[in-house]
Amino acid sequence: KAGVTQTPRYLIKTRGQQVTLSCSPISGHRSVSWYQQTPGQGLQFLFEYFSETQRNKGNFPGRFSGRQFSNSRSEMNVSTLELGDSALYLCASSLGGDLRFGEQYFGPGTRLTVT
Amino acid sequence: EDKVVQSPLSLVVHEGDTVTLNCSYEVTNFRSLLWYKQEKKAPTFLFMLTSSGIEKKSGRLSSILDKKELFSILNITATQTGDSAVYLCAVGGEYGNKLVFGAGTILRVKS
Repeated sequence: KAGVTQTPRYLIKTRGQQVTLSCSPISGHRSVSWYQQTPGQGLQFLFEYFSETQRNKGNFPGRFSGRQFSNSRSEMNVSTLELGDSALYLCASSLGGDLRFGEQYFGPGTRLTVT
Repeated sequence: EDKVVQSPLSLVVHEGDTVTLNCSYEVTNFRSLLWYKQEKKAPTFLFMLTSSGIEKKSGRLSSILDKKELFSILNITATQTGDSAVYLCAVGGEYGNKLVFGAGTILRVKS
């Protein structure tokens, strides 16, 4: 079974630009969660989508948004990029709508650098 | 606010040693605790624990959860250089799949 895939793997953007990252979950998984990982803050939860609905949201500004499609693939968008948005963005997929249904598996991540 | 604290922050051991990594948490409506191993890439799932006192074991790795005292430990016996990594503890609370992560323990195994 193929794992979680994320594209692109690396991105370099300029301050003020916007970026869209994509995540394809494991086949059959319906939940996609997004995390930001930085050396200073560690892994922080951005948001979670299940059945095309955002169910949980972390403490990030409105510049961070996402969506999920009917095939469970998800995208996250960051507008008006700031230097502090440079990070590894990780996507994780889960089978069901709750951890009772199974654990989360992470994709390889997208390394975003903002200059 | 939900919080997960791991200790130690880092440690260096020699091959063959046994290590114990600690994770304590304060989470509303605790549902499960997960351990991940992260090398220079995405976190790799190790264990998920939902019931107190049950030990999960996979080869040289094992973990136990104490829901009364709100902590978990991850044991690695007969360590190898390939065990060198950051070990992350994460807790799921409330509803859904949101995980709160600790800062991680950096383990270095010297040959």
